[in-house]
Amino acid sequence: DAKTTQPTSMDCAEGRAANLPCNHSTISGNEYVYWYRQIHSQGPQYIIHGLKNNETNEMASLIITEDRKSSTLILPHATLRDTAVYYCIVRLTGANSKLTFGKGITLSVRP
Amino acid sequence: NAGVMQNPRHLVRRRGQEARLRCSPMKGHSHVYWYRQLPEEGLKFMVYLQKENIIDESGMPKERFSAEFPKEGPSILRIQQVVRGDSAAYFCASSQSATGDGQPQHFGDGTRLSIL
Repeated sequence: DAKTTQPTSMDCAEGRAANLPCNHSTISGNEYVYWYRQIHSQGPQYIIHGLKNNETNEMASLIITEDRKSSTLILPHATLRDTAVYYCIVRLTGANSKLTFGKGITLSVRP
Repeated sequence: NAGVMQNPRHLVRRRGQEARLRCSPMKGHSHVYWYRQLPEEGLKFMVYLQKENIIDESGMPKERFSAEFPKEGPSILRIQQVVRGDSAAYFCASSQSATGDGQPQHFGDGTRLSIL
């Protein structure tokens, strides 16, 4: 699986959009980009994933650059409950289905 | 709640005892994954199972650890003769399939294992 690079931490104001970047410059054509988050002491929560096109669901939007070398997770209206560690993961579908978690980015939403 | 269910949520064992962690996947999911999170560290993959088969155990310690996912019932992660270093949060995830459109894995809330 391709390696991902994320900033260590960032913060944003409650009610504003949180834009979390991820670099995956070695991604291959059949690798998906997944985003998970882990709120303290809970299990990782699936947020969204995509291959080439931008994706949106009730939680977030995923913007993938045209060359697929980077992506941005957007939480449109951050709340205090969005404070968590966010993981960007690239995964090759197929027999090797494990997720490789890095250190992620710690998002702190301030009142 | 049709999510991934893990039990117990907390488990305390003395050194040398056995720990059995259970995971019931989401309804309709036949793929189960176990991950471990040591204190202040990231999640590490341990093992991937389908019904009655171990597909990838590349992350499992060579000794004392075993996993199964029988035809009926939950998946079990078994740790024999536990040591202090086994203290960690153990997370189970499940997915509907492993291939195709990149089905995501959904996680349970974990079992916190403490070794006295």
